[in-house]
Amino acid sequence: QVQLQESGPGLVKPSQTLSLTCAVSGGSVSSGGYSWNWIRQPPGKGLEWIGYIYYSGHTYYNPSLKRRVAISTDTSKNHFSLKLTSVTAADTAVYFCVRGYGSGRFDYWGQGTLATVSS
Amino acid sequence: DIQMTQSPSSLSASVGDRVTITCQASQDIKNYLNWYQQKPGKAPNLLIYDASNLETGVSSRFSGSGSGTDFSFTISSLQPEDIATYYCQQYNNLPFTFGPGTKVDIK
Repeated sequence: QVQLQESGPGLVKPSQTLSLTCAVSGGSVSSGGYSWNWIRQPPGKGLEWIGYIYYSGHTYYNPSLKRRVAISTDTSKNHFSLKLTSVTAADTAVYFCVRGYGSGRFDYWGQGTLATVSS
Repeated sequence: DIQMTQSPSSLSASVGDRVTITCQASQDIKNYLNWYQQKPGKAPNLLIYDASNLETGVSSRFSGSGSGTDFSFTISSLQPEDIATYYCQQYNNLPFTFGPGTKVDIK
């Protein structure tokens, strides 16, 4: 059973960088055929896909965030990470780490972590 | 980006009712559409993939159909545990995009 668990600071100041990590168990971020995604959900709102990284290291980011986002993996720790720079209140959201199967089927999700941007 | 719309935005139905939600894409996405259920405070859960395929372990009262730009999701007999928000999601084009959600309540 694949499990994902997000971790990171719950509070970030405006203009700073949000950094989150997703620990993966029951599977490997090095496994072929899977993507490792970040998806966010502002309080009371819908879902926004942020981007993914494949086992090969290939990444794709949502153009709406592209200039500010980076996703990376650490195979030695079997985790992947999100960095979002220059955050504003609009980046306040629950952030989910998610495994992608096939081209874009999100089959395993972390429980989500709330990141609040506030001074 | 491909825009996804859903209707209705919310609905209220009785236990045992048949419930249908529609999802429309702004351009042809073939059958590259998934449906998720999200209960309050929880992560979304994949129910249907490739428009009509039931994810392993998911109740058979859930079903999906459609292709191209028009899709539907049906709960054949609404149960109290189905109270949730349902989202469609396309993966024909990057960036992947979600519909705005349909909130389902019990009348």
